[in-house]
Amino acid sequence: DIVMTQSPLSLPVTPGEPASISCTSSQSLLSSNGYNYLNWYLQKPGQSPQLLIYLGSNRASGVPDRFSGSGSGTDFTLKITRVEAEDVGVYYCMQDRQVPLTFGGGTNVEIK
Amino acid sequence: EVQLVESGGGLVQPGGSLKLSCAASGFTFSNSDIHWFRQAAGKGLEWVGRIKSKRQDYATAYAASVKGRFTISRDDSKNTAYLQMNSLRTEDTAMYYCTRRETFTDYWGQGTLVTVAS
Repeated sequence: DIVMTQSPLSLPVTPGEPASISCTSSQSLLSSNGYNYLNWYLQKPGQSPQLLIYLGSNRASGVPDRFSGSGSGTDFTLKITRVEAEDVGVYYCMQDRQVPLTFGGGTNVEIK
Repeated sequence: EVQLVESGGGLVQPGGSLKLSCAASGFTFSNSDIHWFRQAAGKGLEWVGRIKSKRQDYATAYAASVKGRFTISRDDSKNTAYLQMNSLRTEDTAMYYCTRRETFTDYWGQGTLVTVAS
């Protein structure tokens, strides 16, 4: 199974400041088709997860451009240029390169 | 608009069975893989299993923790996928979500709560 390691576990942020979350996989998520099968999700309190970034660096429809994803192979990063109050929740990276699909442990983003 | 709506959750005794449904709309259901995930209260997300499309022979795969107890199926004529859960254990208590996957896993349903307790 591919092990996903996410950091930090908790991230207190000041509104307007940037934030960054790291995700590392135990095996490469880069497929022969050139896609990195790494997605980022945000689970707001009481809600189901919502897709933010797919295939490593592509913003999902309706996601503000303050969110960006980067990385390839085994190392990935989610960045928020200026955090807003509505961005609070738990962020997860997930690999869907192969089954079993696996997640990072989550990063709880909260406003200071 | 893509929608996935789970139903069928509830309270069941250990050793019992439950069948969840995932009703889909807003996309060509028959072309999509359907995955099931779960999340225990206050915990992270866990993949349960998936069923591929007819094009890929409805192939299924399961997490080790549920293999042999859970079965995923689908009825493309009804745009619905199912998760049959047998021999339920207290540790199966969780919110269960279905998702679709075409090139990547995008839309999630709102979930249905399964509680296994005596």
